[in-house]
Amino acid sequence: GNSVTQMEGPVTLSEEAFLTINCTYTATGYPSLFWYVQYPGEGLQLLLKATKADDKGSNKGFEATYRKETTSFHLEKGSVQVSDSAVYFCALSDRIGGFKTIFGAGTRLFVKA
Amino acid sequence: DSGVTQTPKHLITATGQRVTLRCSPRSGDLSVYWYQQSLDQGLQFLIQYYNGEERAKGNILERFSAQQFPDLHSELNLSSLELGDSALYFCASSVTSELAPDTQYFGPGTRLTVL
Repeated sequence: GNSVTQMEGPVTLSEEAFLTINCTYTATGYPSLFWYVQYPGEGLQLLLKATKADDKGSNKGFEATYRKETTSFHLEKGSVQVSDSAVYFCALSDRIGGFKTIFGAGTRLFVKA
Repeated sequence: DSGVTQTPKHLITATGQRVTLRCSPRSGDLSVYWYQQSLDQGLQFLIQYYNGEERAKGNILERFSAQQFPDLHSELNLSSLELGDSALYFCASSVTSELAPDTQYFGPGTRLTVL
């Protein structure tokens, strides 16, 4: 079945450091891929998405490229801020799975000033 | 603000009791999803309703049930509560299309504490 694996946290960075959170997936079809973010005390919200291979999703300085050959969708940001401290979830949705969204376990990011 | 509302925000109850969590989706969204988030289990998909009908089922216990009403709001019923049911319960909604996967919009969650 479909699955999403993302790097374990927590990830602790200093402000302005480069961020990478790894995400790999397994899917039987051609899924769309998502990154959701959960700020403290809030629900999840969509950060970015990509619907086909080689697409790049981007938002708020975050980027992720849909790599079919490596089944990956790694999240990157060139310079993190304290306000980026949150939990980040990688997710996929596949037509074969009835478009049910499968979430990864989440990666907690702490950014220090 | 996602446009999805959930009530109550917090709920404290005892083992063996029954509770009902309520969710109102964004205007125009036909699908409602329920998730359970606990520290050790991460985000677990429970169930999805689309326009009043059950569409997909995840790791939902038999003690749990849900429904979606004609006005599209949804309720999640949890019965015979156990300590391990303590968690954050999120509702999400989406438009849902047969042609493309959805972006889900999450509510702020209901924090359930079972004592």
